[in-house]
Amino acid sequence: EVQLVESGGGLVQPGGSLRLSCAASGFTFSSYWMHWVRQAPGKGLVWVSRINSDGSSTSYADSVKGRFTISRDNAKNTLYLQMNSLRAEDTAVYYCARAAWDSSGDYWGQGTLVTVSS
Amino acid sequence: SYELTQPPSVSVSPGQTARITCSGDALPKKYAYWYQQKSGQAPVLVIYEDSKRPSGIPERFSGSSSGTMATLTISGAQVEDEADYYCYSTDSSGNHRGVFGTGTKVTVL
Repeated sequence: EVQLVESGGGLVQPGGSLRLSCAASGFTFSSYWMHWVRQAPGKGLVWVSRINSDGSSTSYADSVKGRFTISRDNAKNTLYLQMNSLRAEDTAVYYCARAAWDSSGDYWGQGTLVTVSS
Repeated sequence: SYELTQPPSVSVSPGQTARITCSGDALPKKYAYWYQQKSGQAPVLVIYEDSKRPSGIPERFSGSSSGTMATLTISGAQVEDEADYYCYSTDSSGNHRGVFGTGTKVTVL
């Protein structure tokens, strides 16, 4: 069974940093592209970033480019999102996903809440 | 930046047909995907690659795409279909940057 479990969310002050993790199991993690998607309270889904299977290629939404870094450790079956220079508007539930957009099957974690506030 | 536009809301009576549109300039070249999201839950894929239905998704959900518009159709909508629906696609930059539509609240009453 495919499982994605996010962790690392919490309360952080504006300008601060946070690293999210997504532990993957039930599939060959190193074979799949992975994504981060976020959803601010009461708002819509926003694609944040993606990384290819070996970590050599990444893309970001304009709103996070230069502040967030996606990475992965295929030996640990873990996806990361390093978030720096956080702003109030980054407050959201962050989901990791192995999506149908680039592979068979569509799997999402339960999400982890990031709150940016003083 | 690339945008996908959806109507904010669609209302339908039970048993009737609901249609949700998604407009984007790259849709003639890029697939559309459709997600259903109920309150407090992770999104669920209901249509992929414009018109394919994942296993376990009821047949009343169908998708199509023509030109710059993709459409999700719920034929014979049920009360349990009341949810937010989002389209997803990628831009044409070749960088595999994703984008979600603005979202549509479907009310069945």
